[in-house]
Amino acid sequence: DAKTTQPPSMDCAEGRAANLPCNHSTISGNEYVYWYRQIHSQGPQYIIHGLKNNETNEMASLIITEDRKSSTLILPHATLRDTAVYYCITFGKLIFGTGTRLQVFP
Amino acid sequence: GAVVSQHPSWVICKSGTSVKIECRSLDFQATTMFWYRQFPKQSLMLMATSNEGSKATYEQGVEKDKFLINHASLTLSTLTVTSAHPEDSSFYICSASRGSEQFFGPGTRLTVL
Repeated sequence: DAKTTQPPSMDCAEGRAANLPCNHSTISGNEYVYWYRQIHSQGPQYIIHGLKNNETNEMASLIITEDRKSSTLILPHATLRDTAVYYCITFGKLIFGTGTRLQVFP
Repeated sequence: GAVVSQHPSWVICKSGTSVKIECRSLDFQATTMFWYRQFPKQSLMLMATSNEGSKATYEQGVEKDKFLINHASLTLSTLTVTSAHPEDSSFYICSASRGSEQFFGPGTRLTVL
């Protein structure tokens, strides 16, 4: 069973920030939080990961709550090419949940 | 980032034949690789964990005699679908671990007629 829960779908206007939430209330102390995305018929693409500190890279920012029970992936300026299914996973063994289908519209 | 390749990218075969899918880590060594299966409009389902030099660990409900996994080197794992049937038609994806990071291959689409 997946250890994370995410909303099934979200919409975002192009150019605006997309904030994708994830609950991982059963995460253990040494488990990282990973975010991947999958564009139709392709393999998952790594976005970002973190343990307890907030992280930022060229693709996104990851905000992890202090109790580590939830996190938010932020795409600061969403583009049409960011339309994909986004998966939040706690690493030990990568079990994929149903993810969030993000639709970016013009 | 690290690169993981899969071969072939797609394959069509007749029912009853066996199909081998290769997963390679191109620029790093991976002691652990994972195999997933994804049906249309569904999430990835972990099938098995492949460890170099040892037997694979299969998830519940996955037949180890049907889905043969071999991880003979640190850069190559293979998945063989034996006696394939139409219900085995799916998108098969592998991933390889490098430390705390996980990199995915582009996937192999299997169609069994």
